[in-house]
Amino acid sequence: DQQVKQNSPSLSVQEGRISILNCDYTNSMFDYFLWYKKYPAEGPTFLISISSIKDKNEDGRFTVFLNKSAKHLSLHIVPSQPGDSAVYFCAASARGTSGSRLTFGEGTQLTVNP
Amino acid sequence: DGGITQSPKYLFRKEGQNVTLSCEQNLNHDAMYWYRQDPGQGLRLIYYSQIVNDFQKGDIAEGYSVSREKKESFPLTVTSAQKNPTAFYLCASSIDRDRGMTGYGYTFGSGTRLTVV
Repeated sequence: DQQVKQNSPSLSVQEGRISILNCDYTNSMFDYFLWYKKYPAEGPTFLISISSIKDKNEDGRFTVFLNKSAKHLSLHIVPSQPGDSAVYFCAASARGTSGSRLTFGEGTQLTVNP
Repeated sequence: DGGITQSPKYLFRKEGQNVTLSCEQNLNHDAMYWYRQDPGQGLRLIYYSQIVNDFQKGDIAEGYSVSREKKESFPLTVTSAQKNPTAFYLCASSIDRDRGMTGYGYTFGSGTRLTVV
């Protein structure tokens, strides 16, 4: 039962353009959403997060949008840079729920072409 | 520098053998976690520990065992009962579980790639 899904295994964009990575979830108890970035042979690093009481959070070139009614969130990177090429994981948690933990999506490989 | 160290980076195991993956952190974090990464399946939680001498099963604990005798160490043993152990294993730690779930202070190691030969 995949509660967090990233339906696009890969995405390729040109340098300077916008990258949009999508994530869908099924568990209505999730109230906090995160994006992680992972380079090959390294552990993921935390990128940006959003609480369910918000619909947008921005940090520099990165913006996360949350649509609770659609159970959908997206990560926008603008402008995209070649150094952004990595695997991006969406994750969700249900804070305060007994036994809860971060649940990760499958990941999307982003390639930014110079 | 504070961080989380996993060793070895690459590990080969013969079928039927147990093998232990090391995870050490000097961040003074209370909570530690083990994840497994397979192609197309994201990161799946194996075990986690919120405090010394206590740990809980994650979503895919069968065939694995852990211990948490010290705050800074959380070794994972992949036993011969694990049917498909070849994968990339990631250890993580967080200040505490609640803040770990918000991403705050959640740090991953660089991983161990285990291959069964």
